[in-house]
Amino acid sequence: GENVEQHPSTLSVQEGDSAVIKCTYSDSASNYFPWYKQELGKRPQLIIDIRSNVGEKKDQRIAVTLNKTAKHFSLHITETQPEDSAVYFCAAYAGFGNEKLTFGTGTRLTIIP
Amino acid sequence: DARVTQTPRHKVTEMGQEVTMRCQPILGHNTVFWYRQTMMQGLELLAYFRNRAPLDDSGMPKDRFSAEMPDATLATLKIQPSEPRDSAVYFCASGSPFDRGQTEAFFGQGTRLTVV
Repeated sequence: GENVEQHPSTLSVQEGDSAVIKCTYSDSASNYFPWYKQELGKRPQLIIDIRSNVGEKKDQRIAVTLNKTAKHFSLHITETQPEDSAVYFCAAYAGFGNEKLTFGTGTRLTIIP
Repeated sequence: DARVTQTPRHKVTEMGQEVTMRCQPILGHNTVFWYRQTMMQGLELLAYFRNRAPLDDSGMPKDRFSAEMPDATLATLKIQPSEPRDSAVYFCASGSPFDRGQTEAFFGQGTRLTVV
């Protein structure tokens, strides 16, 4: 089955700097890669996703890149702000016939004012 | 504002008791996931359903856990008997086929279970 690894497990950056979180996956059939943000005591919420037919996607200060050959994808947050502090999860989904949505172990991001 | 509804939000029970958690997926979503979240394990997939049929429950301890979808508006996760190590937050999420570009997985607010 699918195995998703996520690094680092914790990350601290100065406000205004960039943060990068990396994930690798094992199932070459995976074709959908969402990123979720979870604030303390709340549910995970989607912040950005990418499908296998594109290599990069941006939404304001957030971007995701995908390298299907190497089976890894990354989340980039630029100009970080205190409200970006949260736990971030990557996930991979293999599609019809193997419809698990498998999550990485999470990255606790702390923005230092 | 469509949302996934989970009940109860909090549950404290004694070891050995039966616990039932309920989830109402978003109307029209045909895929339902159950996840367990602990500090150590992140989001652990327990089971998921497609069109009410269980597709995979390999992540679930079969001797004490069971998951069902009696109808399209209700998914249940049951623990019998409960143990202290089952203490965690249990999330339900629903969605439609992601590979067809339809929708994301929406999470409910979770059930925080404490077994004493």
